[in-house]
Amino acid sequence: DAGVIQSPRHEVTEMGQEVTLRCKPISGHNSLFWYRQTMMRGLELLIYFNNNVPIDDSGMPEDRFSAKMPNASFSTLKIQPSEPRDSAVYFCASSLTSGSPTDTQYFGPGTRLTVL
Amino acid sequence: GENVEQHPSTLSVQEGDSAVIKCTYSDSASNYFPWYKQELGKGPQLIIDIRSNVGEKKDQRIAVTLNKTAKHFSLHITETQPEDSAVYFCAAMDTGRRALTFGSGTRLQVQP
Repeated sequence: DAGVIQSPRHEVTEMGQEVTLRCKPISGHNSLFWYRQTMMRGLELLIYFNNNVPIDDSGMPEDRFSAKMPNASFSTLKIQPSEPRDSAVYFCASSLTSGSPTDTQYFGPGTRLTVL
Repeated sequence: GENVEQHPSTLSVQEGDSAVIKCTYSDSASNYFPWYKQELGKGPQLIIDIRSNVGEKKDQRIAVTLNKTAKHFSLHITETQPEDSAVYFCAAMDTGRRALTFGSGTRLQVQP
């Protein structure tokens, strides 16, 4: 199994630009999570999906952030417009069972975003 | 919501020594406590977890203990090796969100 796949691995953009991060969960997994990791705030859950449906987006910092999961094998996290304070490593994770928060989460390698 | 505090933030030990990382949580209803290891440039990876119906769990050189009364849990690594050097995160279940809340991480360095 290829594991969770994220693209791009690195993204450098200028303030005000739209950024789209992509994630392919492990095949057969029914829950998908987006996290943001910074030195100041650690690992924060932004949003998660069960069976492609957003369940909790209370961690999304503001309206500039949006996430979609159009099908079981693909999700996007979009930032529009981007700001320097959005610079962080963004992780996608997936787990097998929908609605089972004690399932092991498998993390992707992350996307390092730098907003200049 | 759940609040998880983790200590210490950095830990340096000599190879062969033991390492202990401690976490406290706030949600008394929380019943699941995993530990993740993050190596440089990679995503976190689950190394061990414990549920509230047991007080201790061991897997080779790694053990986790849980004290529900005091709302704290700890990771113990014995006979540390250089490959144990990484950042370790504890987490606890936020029963409201039904999702994990992570601690701030501990950077463990094992000196050969």
